[in-house]
Amino acid sequence: QSVLTQPPSVSGAPGQRVTISCTGSNFNIGAGYDVHWYQQLPGTAPKLLIYGNNNRPSGVPDRFSGSKSGTSASLAITGLQAEDETDYYCQSYDTRLSDWVFGGGTKLTVL
Amino acid sequence: QLQLQESGPGLVKPSETLSLTCSVSAGSISSSRYSWGWIRQPPWKGLEWIGNIYNGGSTYYNPSLKSRVTISVDTSKNHFSLTLTSVTAADTAVYYCARTRAVGGRGYWYFDLWGRGTLVTVSS
Repeated sequence: QSVLTQPPSVSGAPGQRVTISCTGSNFNIGAGYDVHWYQQLPGTAPKLLIYGNNNRPSGVPDRFSGSKSGTSASLAITGLQAEDETDYYCQSYDTRLSDWVFGGGTKLTVL
Repeated sequence: QLQLQESGPGLVKPSETLSLTCSVSAGSISSSRYSWGWIRQPPWKGLEWIGNIYNGGSTYYNPSLKSRVTISVDTSKNHFSLTLTSVTAADTAVYYCARTRAVGGRGYWYFDLWGRGTLVTVSS
């Protein structure tokens, strides 16, 4: 059971917009700690997608965006493309565990 | 572009010690702007943070692994290492090393660069 809860799967058609939620508590996201997002293509290492809630590293398309409110955060992907079909993880810090924590991961399927 | 590469045995026997090294190339491991960490991923499962080392000495470990984990750094060799003692089958995973952007307090750190990962299987 992950400290950060993500839906196991989401799906969308090409060109559509999808969002992936990451729900935490007052010990992590709600405590004001940043949320970061990673994309993991099959058989490869995770890659930083969003840092500091809503910042994109150089090279990440602006189709990807992040937001945070209260004890939750979201990753939005617009103009869905076939290459976006993979796994996504959120990450934050938990003050009760004194631990960096990941969500359980969400598999995005492009229909 | 800085790169990280994990190395170590791919097979470890139960109750023995797992030892991995992460070599950092095209950049220095000695920077106060970064911490260096290990994350693992059991087959078909999610990511689990193991621990980090910062500023050459301060270490932070996952409480669930703390009694078995040690992370150290060798600045002369530009690498850092992970040891995990008394392993069991539950420790079978792909182990990643990662550079951690140490901006502000620990609550704001993130893993901005990852190694390719190495699969470690615990089996007799």
